[in-house]
Amino acid sequence: EVQLVQSGAEVKKPGESLKMSCKGSGYDFTTYWIGWVRQMPGKGLEWMGTIYPGDSDTRYSPSFQGQVTISADNSISTAYLQWSSLKASDTAIYYCARQGAWLPDYWGQGTLVTVSS
Amino acid sequence: QSVLTQAPSASGTPGQRVIISCSGSSSNIGSNVVNWYQQLPGTAPKLLIYSNNRRPSGVPDRFSGSKSGTSASLAISGLQSEDEADYYCAAWDDNLNGPWVFGGGTKLTVL
Repeated sequence: EVQLVQSGAEVKKPGESLKMSCKGSGYDFTTYWIGWVRQMPGKGLEWMGTIYPGDSDTRYSPSFQGQVTISADNSISTAYLQWSSLKASDTAIYYCARQGAWLPDYWGQGTLVTVSS
Repeated sequence: QSVLTQAPSASGTPGQRVIISCSGSSSNIGSNVVNWYQQLPGTAPKLLIYSNNRRPSGVPDRFSGSKSGTSASLAISGLQSEDEADYYCAAWDDNLNGPWVFGGGTKLTVL
């Protein structure tokens, strides 16, 4: 069974750093793209970026380029999304999702990030 | 502003048929496949329809998808109370918007 399990909720202050994780199981982690999607409170889904763990090829949405870093560790089948300096506007739920043929097929349960002073 | 356009809300009574639409452009829906996702309150999105009109195993055949030109539709027949959720369309985009672009979501209310 394919599963993506994300790390737990985070409460941070503006300016702090954060690295969240997404662990894949039940499939060959290195042969599927993994993407990250933001959902701000009461809003829709926004693609942030995608990584191919097999060769670490990474693509970013222009809206998130330079704001976040996506990486992966194949030895533990885990993808990461990180910030070096959070803002209050980063408050959202972040989902990882496996890319099937072209689009997401399996999703993680989401990680809630709250950034507040 | 989402790349794909959906009406923000839809409603129907139990047993009715409801259609949710999604409009895009030649760089996404017009030339690539469309998926639909159901997001129940407080949960992650779940794949409902893939490759325009295919259902993953376990998805009832009350749900169906179609695509024509730069638009796509999700039809739900025999509406049930548990179908009350947000529904999102998504498509691969050949421009810098993507590759994943989403609609803004349609909140379906079962009256």
